[in-house]
Amino acid sequence: QVQLQQSGPGLVRPSGTLSLTCALSGASIDNANWWTWVRQPPGMGLEWVGDIYLNGTTNYNPSLKSRVTISVAKSKTQFSLKMTSMTAADTAVYFCASPPPGGWGQGTLVTVSS
Amino acid sequence: EIVLTQSPGTLSLSPGDSATLSCRASQSIGRHLAWYQQKPGQAPRLLIYDASTRATGIPARIRGSGSGTDFTLTITSLEPEDFAVYYCRQRSDWLVTFGQGTRLEIK
Repeated sequence: QVQLQQSGPGLVRPSGTLSLTCALSGASIDNANWWTWVRQPPGMGLEWVGDIYLNGTTNYNPSLKSRVTISVAKSKTQFSLKMTSMTAADTAVYFCASPPPGGWGQGTLVTVSS
Repeated sequence: EIVLTQSPGTLSLSPGDSATLSCRASQSIGRHLAWYQQKPGQAPRLLIYDASTRATGIPARIRGSGSGTDFTLTITSLEPEDFAVYYCRQRSDWLVTFGQGTRLEIK
């Protein structure tokens, strides 16, 4: 089963850009039809951020669409999330995930603060 | 947007009891529903996908059922490690949504 390892900064300045990477071990992007980012504000529920499909198509949560980009690295062993114009409301744990029956990354707590 | 409504919000039971968690969709989603368990400080863990297929390593006492708009997660013979928050998630269309969660707590 593919393992997902997330990396990226835990602190982002207001109005800054978040960049997170999800590295796959034991598989490549081609091993699943889509890959996902989900976030969870402190003490709250899960919120879907967006998907990238095998053919390169992306779908984003409409509430975030103007600020989010999900992409796949040329190596096809990692995919990334970029979110611009960050505010305190974007403070959350961000998870990458593979489709069922696959698992999720360990999560990255991203705090937006000066 | 398809809205998923989970009930109850909190379920208080004892080890050995059976738990029944509900997830209702605002429109038909076929069987495109998954259930996740989340414990504090951990990533969600996939329990059930395609409404009733158990993920790898999930015991038979955890069962998913339903189709269309009404879905149920049943956990029998509750064990201490079952007390957690449970989320349902649909991806019937391109806009993926989660339920708000059900907290299963020890009575």
